[in-house]
Amino acid sequence: QQPVQSPQAVILREGEDAVINCSSSKALYSVHWYRQKHGEAPVFLMILLKGGEQKGHDKISASFNEKKQQSSLYLTASQLSYSGTYFCGTESFNDYKLSFGAGTTVTVRA
Amino acid sequence: DAGITQSPRHKVTETGTPVTLRCHQTENHRYMYWYRQDPGHGLRLIHYSYGVKDTDKGEVSDGYSVSRSKTEDFLLTLESATSSQTSVYFCAITGTRQDTQYFGPGTRLTVL
Repeated sequence: QQPVQSPQAVILREGEDAVINCSSSKALYSVHWYRQKHGEAPVFLMILLKGGEQKGHDKISASFNEKKQQSSLYLTASQLSYSGTYFCGTESFNDYKLSFGAGTTVTVRA
Repeated sequence: DAGITQSPRHKVTETGTPVTLRCHQTENHRYMYWYRQDPGHGLRLIHYSYGVKDTDKGEVSDGYSVSRSKTEDFLLTLESATSSQTSVYFCAITGTRQDTQYFGPGTRLTVL
């Protein structure tokens, strides 16, 4: 079952912040975040393992609440290069595959 | 860039014809995956492999088969293509479950 991402789309001005949420109905082992530019392959941003550890990638960070089976991606002081579609991928225990959300399209304008 | 390529990159075919897509890696990674990407659905897993000749179904496997006779190659076959299989197909690889999944450049398949 695919995780649910929200919002579906967000429009930002440069320098603004945004939060993308990902929630699952299953107990999760890990959450992966990817960004995809139009016409390109998804590119890995970060992985979060159970334990609530927060990770960061430049000014993009994420958290994982294993009790709620939720993860959030934080875009801080957004840049034009942050535009794209963000996907979360969730992995359950005893599983070796990811289920991806439908994606959140982020548009950053000057 | 992870050493992963897909062929062909673009293909147009007719309903009812067989189609094979190839994913090739040079990283000697154990796990390989085939996804399809459609608007509004994100990436959906078709089949995956956890070793040579070891494969399993994903969530949208109907109408697709796979084979992996060598570590470096993972083939996806549409036995009889249908218009509903028009999509962008991505291959991905990973070394261990805690690692990044690296995606190939994708194959755009159109079934007329």
